[in-house]
Amino acid sequence: DVVLTQTPVSLSVTLGDQASISCRSSQSLEYSDGYTYLEWYLQKPGQSPQLLIYEVSNRFSGVPDRFIGSGSGTDFTLKISRVEPEDLGVYYCFQATHDPFTFGSGTKLEIK
Amino acid sequence: EVKLLESGGGLVQPGGSMRLSCAASGFTFTDFYMYWIRQPAGKAPEWLGFIRNKANGYTTEYNPSVKGRFTISRDNTQNMLYLQMNTLRAEDTATYYCARSTTEGMDYWGQGVMVTVSS
Repeated sequence: DVVLTQTPVSLSVTLGDQASISCRSSQSLEYSDGYTYLEWYLQKPGQSPQLLIYEVSNRFSGVPDRFIGSGSGTDFTLKISRVEPEDLGVYYCFQATHDPFTFGSGTKLEIK
Repeated sequence: EVKLLESGGGLVQPGGSMRLSCAASGFTFTDFYMYWIRQPAGKAPEWLGFIRNKANGYTTEYNPSVKGRFTISRDNTQNMLYLQMNTLRAEDTATYYCARSTTEGMDYWGQGVMVTVSS
């Protein structure tokens, strides 16, 4: 199975600052069709996960442009500029390139 | 408005069976792949499998971790998604989510239903 390693495990950020989360894959996530099926989800406290980013860098409808996904191959990053209180929660990367699909172990974002 | 509502969770003994349901509304159900995901308390989610849409023949795919024990099905006349779980183990204890999937990812999730496997 593809292992997605997220770092850091937790992150404490001052409001208005930038946060950066890394997701490294044990295999390239580029599919044979040329697309890379790497997604980012945020799970706010007590809620279901919600989609933020798909195909590495595309923001889902309604997601603020403060959320920026980047990367290729095996290395991916989610940057959150100008962190706001509603951004707290656990961030997961997820790959849908290789069967079985897998989630990263999560990064908990806390507000200082 | 898209809504997904899981039901059917609760306490079950090891070795027992349980069927979870997910009621879908607010979209054309047959157009979409539907996923099941679970999440043990305090841990990362785990993808369990999916059932394809009408255009792709409603076929299924499973995580090997549950293949042979879990079965995903759908009733397209009732807009219902199901997860039949057999030979349950303590490690199946988790919150179970259904989610709608598009080319953009799992865009809508249910609120989740808890399953506890314990004697």
